[in-house]
Amino acid sequence: AQSVTQLGSHVSVSEGALVLLRCNYSSSVPPYLFWYVQYPNQGLQLLLKYTTGATLVKGINGFEAEFKKSETSFHLTKPSAHMSDAAEYFCAVSHASGGSYIPTFGRGTSLIVHP
Amino acid sequence: KAGVTQTPRYLIKTRGQQVTLSCSPISGHRSVSWYQQTPGQGLQFLFEYFSETQRNKGNFPGRFSGRQFSNSRSEMNVSTLELGDSALYLCASSGGGFGSYEQYFGPGTRLTVT
Repeated sequence: AQSVTQLGSHVSVSEGALVLLRCNYSSSVPPYLFWYVQYPNQGLQLLLKYTTGATLVKGINGFEAEFKKSETSFHLTKPSAHMSDAAEYFCAVSHASGGSYIPTFGRGTSLIVHP
Repeated sequence: KAGVTQTPRYLIKTRGQQVTLSCSPISGHRSVSWYQQTPGQGLQFLFEYFSETQRNKGNFPGRFSGRQFSNSRSEMNVSTLELGDSALYLCASSGGGFGSYEQYFGPGTRLTVT
């Protein structure tokens, strides 16, 4: 079984400030980890993923995340928030199962960016 | 490459009716998954189809069904609609084989049941 916990349903930052969205996972096998972003009335867009190798993963729009196995965490960061970053962010975990990689999603964190 | 497309984008139905939603995956992708997204339950996995066969299934009642065609396009059907079926239904496609870790999502179909 696998699960994801995203701490904080809402995170509010000022434009230009550091963005930190927290994600902890539970998985009985080595996980594959993802961050997705969802803008209003749209589907999910992949920001970044960790599968194997380097634990610091860089994604689109200046986001990055670090896989910390000892802490079972995969927090998402961005050095300087833009107004356009305001959206819902989902952390997800999956593992290989017969060719499938069905992700389990966290409940999401709404990022609010103040001018 | 064109992305995942879903039709229709919006639907309003009445309790007791049935509805069919359509999804066209990215060209070359053989796996299509369906999700239900609601404010209360978040993103929940419905089922996955691969090569016209249901490969995985989530924990939803039998009123929710799907199928996949030989061109990988997929449809999902919900019969005897209930108010609680109001949700955003998302379709996602992936290559379907080993190493196809990520899923690519469509814009969703917003279903409102009155």
